[in-house]
Amino acid sequence: NAGVTQTPKFQVLKTGQSMTLQCAQDMNHEYMSWYRQDPGMGLRLIHYSVGAGITDQGEVPNGYNVSRSTTEDFPLRLLSAAPSQTSVYFCASSYSASGGAGEQFFGPGTRLTVL
Amino acid sequence: AQSVTQPDIHITVSEGASLELRCNYSYGATPYLFWYVQSPGQGLQLLLKYFSGDTLVQGIKGFEAEFKRSQSSFNLRKPSVHWSDAAEYFCAVGDGAGKSTFGDGTTLTVKP
Repeated sequence: NAGVTQTPKFQVLKTGQSMTLQCAQDMNHEYMSWYRQDPGMGLRLIHYSVGAGITDQGEVPNGYNVSRSTTEDFPLRLLSAAPSQTSVYFCASSYSASGGAGEQFFGPGTRLTVL
Repeated sequence: AQSVTQPDIHITVSEGASLELRCNYSYGATPYLFWYVQSPGQGLQLLLKYFSGDTLVQGIKGFEAEFKRSQSSFNLRKPSVHWSDAAEYFCAVGDGAGKSTFGDGTTLTVKP
């Protein structure tokens, strides 16, 4: 059971380039989300998904796209990278609270630098 | 809208001393509350959670937290801190379906 995996661990982009951050989970969780973490700002929600084929915007969605074609995978696409997108990106998954609390399981993160 | 406030950005305690990290939340319904810990260069790991029942909850690594509805608080405590507890701690409030809002975090430094 690998939990939540993210690739790559590190990435450097030039302004205007595009890329996809990969996220996968093997726990059959319905809910998946992407956060970005910046110093002193906690975790801010970018996009989330409550199941395959269903996605929605979070707090800071601009410049990012997501899709959810399977339960396992939830890739995050940067369409045209900007220096303001330099951050650490975390993917997380959780199960809906049916007797539980909906706590999140986090991947190890992707550290992205945009020059 | 739900929100979380962690008033202390940085706390320093001596090894062996007690610890309390503060968390205040705003949520319109019964809250699902969490504390997570993040070691440098790592993802977040769940320490403990509350969503019903006993308002004093026990977590991993000797941590506990108490839910006080009247104060909208969910403070994290540990009676004796170890050097390995140095990390960043995040309080979060959730809707029970997976969506959570996080505080800005408290960085804990442990003095030898």
